[in-house]
Amino acid sequence: GENVEQHPSTLSVQEGDSAVIKCTYSDSASNYFPWYKQELGKRPQLIIDIRSNVGEKKDQRIAVTLNKTAKHFSLHITETQPEDSAVYFCAATLSGSARQLTFGSGTQLTVLP
Amino acid sequence: DVKVTQSSRYLVKRTGEKVFLECVQDMDHENMFWYRQDPGLGLRLIYFSYDVKMKEKGDIPEGYSVSREKKERFSLILESASTNQTSMYLCASSSVELAKNIQYFGAGTRLSVL
Repeated sequence: GENVEQHPSTLSVQEGDSAVIKCTYSDSASNYFPWYKQELGKRPQLIIDIRSNVGEKKDQRIAVTLNKTAKHFSLHITETQPEDSAVYFCAATLSGSARQLTFGSGTQLTVLP
Repeated sequence: DVKVTQSSRYLVKRTGEKVFLECVQDMDHENMFWYRQDPGLGLRLIYFSYDVKMKEKGDIPEGYSVSREKKERFSLILESASTNQTSMYLCASSSVELAKNIQYFGAGTRLSVL
């Protein structure tokens, strides 16, 4: 089955700086890679996703990059703000056939004012 | 807007009790999932269901069972609760349409087994 590793487990940045979270996956057949954000006391919510036919995707201050050859993908947050503080989870799956996501262990991002 | 509702936010049970965690979704989603969330371990899949009366084991099914008698409802059952099942439990649902696997989560049930 799929295995997803996520680093770092904790990350502190100054407000306005950039943050990068990295994930690696094991199953080369995986082709869908979502990122979820979980604020304190709240439910995880999808913030961005990418498919394997795309190398990069951006949505305002967040972007995700995918390197299929190396089997890793990353979340980039620019101009961080206090409301970006949360736990971020990466995940991988084979879209359309397998129904379950395999999640990474999570990264606690703290944006310091 | 998708709504996934878990019946309890907090539960305290005793060792050996039978525990039911209920989850209901209102978007007619085919797929439903139960995860447990523990610090440093991420979201680990316990069981999932892709149709009524269908179920498949996830990564950590031991000590749990599930029931899906209606499409909108997915129940997680702890037959005999143990202290190592103290955790946050999250339910999620997704549609098979659009070939996407976006999962919508409930607010979670924090279970303490004493």
